[in-house]
Amino acid sequence: DTAVSQTPKYLVTQMGNDKSIKCEQNLGHDTMYWYKQDSKKFLKIMFSYNNKELIINETVPNRFSPKSPDKAHLNLHINSLELGDSAVYFCASSRPTSGSGTGELFFGEGSRLTVL
Amino acid sequence: GENVEQHPSTLSVQEGDSAVIKCTYSDSASNYFPWYKQELGKRPQLIIDIRSNVGEKKDQRIAVTLNKTAKHFSLHITETQPEDSAVYFCAARPGSARQLTFGSGTQLTVLP
Repeated sequence: DTAVSQTPKYLVTQMGNDKSIKCEQNLGHDTMYWYKQDSKKFLKIMFSYNNKELIINETVPNRFSPKSPDKAHLNLHINSLELGDSAVYFCASSRPTSGSGTGELFFGEGSRLTVL
Repeated sequence: GENVEQHPSTLSVQEGDSAVIKCTYSDSASNYFPWYKQELGKRPQLIIDIRSNVGEKKDQRIAVTLNKTAKHFSLHITETQPEDSAVYFCAARPGSARQLTFGSGTQLTVLP
């Protein structure tokens, strides 16, 4: 039973193409995220949704567009791909941080995007 | 916003020795400090966390200490084993924030 699953795991494409990555969680969490991990391993948050509403939108080119059809799904669409977009993209979800919740992040397995 | 600095960026130890990774944070309102371990080609996973009302927490061979006054926290791994080799990330979150701010990661290599 995969808690956070994302597809595809590997994506190789040419510059200028458009691609999408899908993410689904079966943990019943309200909040989902997209993180980008570059070649230096740095984890940088891109977006966060809470119950289908965008709550965090970091400085990301508008070629990146997230979409949450429901609270269990958060997809990422990237237009006009550039070489610098090559990275591993991680989807994650978390419990609420209120009360005794810590907001622990549960990551998907990652989607390695290579732009040629 | 919160800024988390992590040192060292790489760390090599002999099997059986201890390893210490240190992080500092900038926002005094931060009250939650998790540590994530990422093995090669895998996802980051939580290994231990600490809240600001606790100074130390231990789980078998790993422990985390927190100094709120100095705004730094550390991960301690004792009796290291080859399977401890991974990238370790510290993180911090202010109480009012939803997102974690991660440190830049430490590549730990345990030499047999």
